[in-house]
Amino acid sequence: AQKITQTQPGMFVQEKEAVTLDCTYDTSDPSYGLFWYKQPSSGEMIFLIYQGSYDQQNATEGRYSLNFQKARKSANLVISASQLGDSAMYFCAMREGLGGAGSYQLTFGKGTKLSVIP
Amino acid sequence: DSGVTQTPKHLITATGQRVTLRCSPRSGDLSVYWYQQSLDQGLQFLIQYYNGEERAKGNILERFSAQQFPDLHSELNLSSLELGDSALYFCASSDGTGTDYNEQFFGPGTRLTVL
Repeated sequence: AQKITQTQPGMFVQEKEAVTLDCTYDTSDPSYGLFWYKQPSSGEMIFLIYQGSYDQQNATEGRYSLNFQKARKSANLVISASQLGDSAMYFCAMREGLGGAGSYQLTFGKGTKLSVIP
Repeated sequence: DSGVTQTPKHLITATGQRVTLRCSPRSGDLSVYWYQQSLDQGLQFLIQYYNGEERAKGNILERFSAQQFPDLHSELNLSSLELGDSALYFCASSDGTGTDYNEQFFGPGTRLTVL
């Protein structure tokens, strides 16, 4: 079974509108972290936002917020007031466990390509 | 700029050849991770080193190997290259502490093309 599922291969959003990118995850570990990364066409991976499994509140970073529903195992990314520069691939990733002495590898979803329309 | 450097940026080689990808982590980071991004497999974790020692292995082929040197830079060696090894190879680093957060900072990647 896939550990990270992103069901939207592609999304379109009008400039200045909000958009939600879906991510569901699967783990039996009570300690985990969820990350969202942005990958523009230039290829680099840009960290956007993080949510820990024990965090009581949804994470927010500027125009990015994470809608964390632990019981449903979902961690959707919400981008408010979309900009043309938001056009990119977006990846949801999970780190399972606290890893003991430093094992924190990420498992990535297949990504969602977001296109912002002027 | 994440502070993680990778060289070379692009690499074009032939099947059967061997290449070495290099990564320098952020100053102070002890952990180095290697990931492969290909069209068919997506982003996959390959291997992690922590302070010079192998810490975790993912979907890394036997033809691939890595090491982390005393100055903490890391090299990923790919041998007997096949067409399917063409991909973007990322290195990421983190401080490797026991914090819950432990963000990984990604380098710009090395794009490998095997002809």
